[in-house]
Amino acid sequence: NAGVTQTPKFQVLKTGQSMTLQCAQDMNHEYMSWYRQDPGMGLRLIHYSVGAGITDQGEVPNGYNVSRSTTEDFPLRLLSAAPSQTSVYFCASSYTRPGTVGSGANVLTFGAGSRLTVL
Amino acid sequence: QQPVQSPQAVILREGEDAVINCSSSKALYSVHWYRQKHGEAPVFLMILLKGGEQKGHDKISASFNEKKQQSSLYLTASQLSYSGTYFCGTPDTSGTYKYIFGTGTRLKVLA
Repeated sequence: NAGVTQTPKFQVLKTGQSMTLQCAQDMNHEYMSWYRQDPGMGLRLIHYSVGAGITDQGEVPNGYNVSRSTTEDFPLRLLSAAPSQTSVYFCASSYTRPGTVGSGANVLTFGAGSRLTVL
Repeated sequence: QQPVQSPQAVILREGEDAVINCSSSKALYSVHWYRQKHGEAPVFLMILLKGGEQKGHDKISASFNEKKQQSSLYLTASQLSYSGTYFCGTPDTSGTYKYIFGTGTRLKVLA
């Protein structure tokens, strides 16, 4: 089991460039999400998905797009990168909606993170 | 809004105790605690599901006060391995499927 796999680990972009952060999980998790981590601000939710074909905005969605065409994959797209998007990005997944009553199925499993720098 | 954690950062000596608080302006249905070691991904520590519930994990325990909309994490007789950033997490209770993390607390344990 690979768990949650994120690529790339590091990326440097120039302002205005586009790129896609890839996220794949092999645990048959229905729920997938993207967070960004900035000093002093914790983990902030960008977008999330409760299943293939279903996505919704998180707390800081501006400048990011997502799609969920399969259960396994949940890519995050930056259409026109800005310096304010310099951050560490984490993809996370869980079998069911995290925080709900039940077993460990509602716990988030995180990828290793992607460090993005926008110049 | 994100739950607010306090303190933002704390430095301890091995063997000392610490308390990390997580306060929300919205009702809390459940609270998770995660720990993130430097350069790594966050890892789940424990979940609290009911108001007033307390749980333990080694010498780390937590409480959840639903009425006060807050949770606290207690680290007893801290070890070097406890160093990292601690996050509380909670499902949004306004009808969405968002899962929100707190602002984080950096904990450093010195020998």
